[in-house]
Amino acid sequence: GAGVSQSPSNKVTEKGKDVELRCDPISGHTALYWYRQSLGQGLEFLIYFQGNSAPDKSGLPSDRFSAERTGGSVSTLTIQRTQQEDSAVYLCASRKGGAGGFQETQYFGPGTRLLVL
Amino acid sequence: AQSVSQHNHHVILSEAASLELGCNYSYGGTVNLFWYVQYPGQHLQLLLKYFSGDPLVKGIKGFEAEFIKSKFSFNLRKPSVQWSDTAEYFCAVNAKAAGNKLTFGGGTRVLVKP
Repeated sequence: GAGVSQSPSNKVTEKGKDVELRCDPISGHTALYWYRQSLGQGLEFLIYFQGNSAPDKSGLPSDRFSAERTGGSVSTLTIQRTQQEDSAVYLCASRKGGAGGFQETQYFGPGTRLLVL
Repeated sequence: AQSVSQHNHHVILSEAASLELGCNYSYGGTVNLFWYVQYPGQHLQLLLKYFSGDPLVKGIKGFEAEFIKSKFSFNLRKPSVQWSDTAEYFCAVNAKAAGNKLTFGGGTRVLVKP
């Protein structure tokens, strides 16, 4: 029973470069979320995938942010042309995605700490 | 839009003291309420949650929380803290009508002195 895993655990990049962050959800979980934890903004929702439905992208802060989920499992969050304000811990969470989704617990990964110089 | 506020940003107390962390949310519909904890160097983990029924919810490690609908509150309590309770605590809410995403409060850092 492995939990949610994320890679890399730490990423340092230069302003203007693109970065990709990876999330492996708990096996069998169909719902996957990305959140961002930063000093100024706390914990914020970014994007939500549920099965084959169109993702809820309402939390993405700009069009430099995108995410995909291939094969209903692994997800990649991509940040293009990184800015210093993108520095934060990016958290992934998953849940079973059953009919009681509204009440299911979300399980969080350890996060990727991104530093943009 | 739903929002969550946690009244205390930092709390310092001694072992065996009682702890109460305030959480208020704003949303008029049906909500689910959660408390998550993040111990130093570890990832977020669920402490307890409320969906319906008994408004007094018991969680892990001796924590409990009380949902008071009329006050839009979900305060976390522990009668006697230990040094190992040093962590950051986050209150969160999701609402079916607002999608399944969690909205978090700003967090409360708790330091328990041995």
